[in-house]
Amino acid sequence: QQQVKQSPQSLIVQKGGISIINCAYENTAFDYFPWYQQFPGKGPALLIAIRPDVSEKKEGRFTISFNKSAKQFSLHIMDSQPGDSATYFCAARRAYKYIFGTGTRLKVLA
Amino acid sequence: DGGITQSPKYLFRKEGQNVTLSCEQNLNHDAMYWYRQDPGQGLRLIYYSQIVNDFQKGDIAEGYSVSREKKESFPLTVTSAQKNPTAFYLCASSTPDRGDGYTFGSGTRLTVV
Repeated sequence: QQQVKQSPQSLIVQKGGISIINCAYENTAFDYFPWYQQFPGKGPALLIAIRPDVSEKKEGRFTISFNKSAKQFSLHIMDSQPGDSATYFCAARRAYKYIFGTGTRLKVLA
Repeated sequence: DGGITQSPKYLFRKEGQNVTLSCEQNLNHDAMYWYRQDPGQGLRLIYYSQIVNDFQKGDIAEGYSVSREKKESFPLTVTSAQKNPTAFYLCASSTPDRGDGYTFGSGTRLTVV
């Protein structure tokens, strides 16, 4: 019940394309769902986050879609750029602790 | 600039040796966390602390120890009891009431030699 399942493990997208990463959870007590971006040798950085009472949140080229009934949420990166090449982690929060997905390694081809 | 500082960036440990990883934050965050990152396994919680002089075990605490004597500092000791310590270690902090997510440090890569 504490797991957050993330897919795909890796993703290759052409420049200008849409990157989509999916996460699913079981525990309905989770109350905050952030996405983190991590470049090699660096710590993850908060990218965008959503609360379960909202179905979609958009910040620039990044959009989170949240489906509470299906217990799924996804990250969409529009107009993907080579600079977006990184590892992306979804996470879910309960009682001040975050459970992380296993990560998706995104490569955007120039 | 506010942030989290982890040191050293690279650390080498000999068999049977204890090593301590430093984590300092100037964000005035109440909670601090230590995660271990291994390829393909995401981030796993080692220890966390919500207030000074108090901390709780995470999912993989065996072979690790921490202290929280100051709000700004949360050092992690990797003891000789940790049989597979080679990993990337990440420190994070947050203010739980605000729900802004974690701020992470830049990590320490620990290698057993």
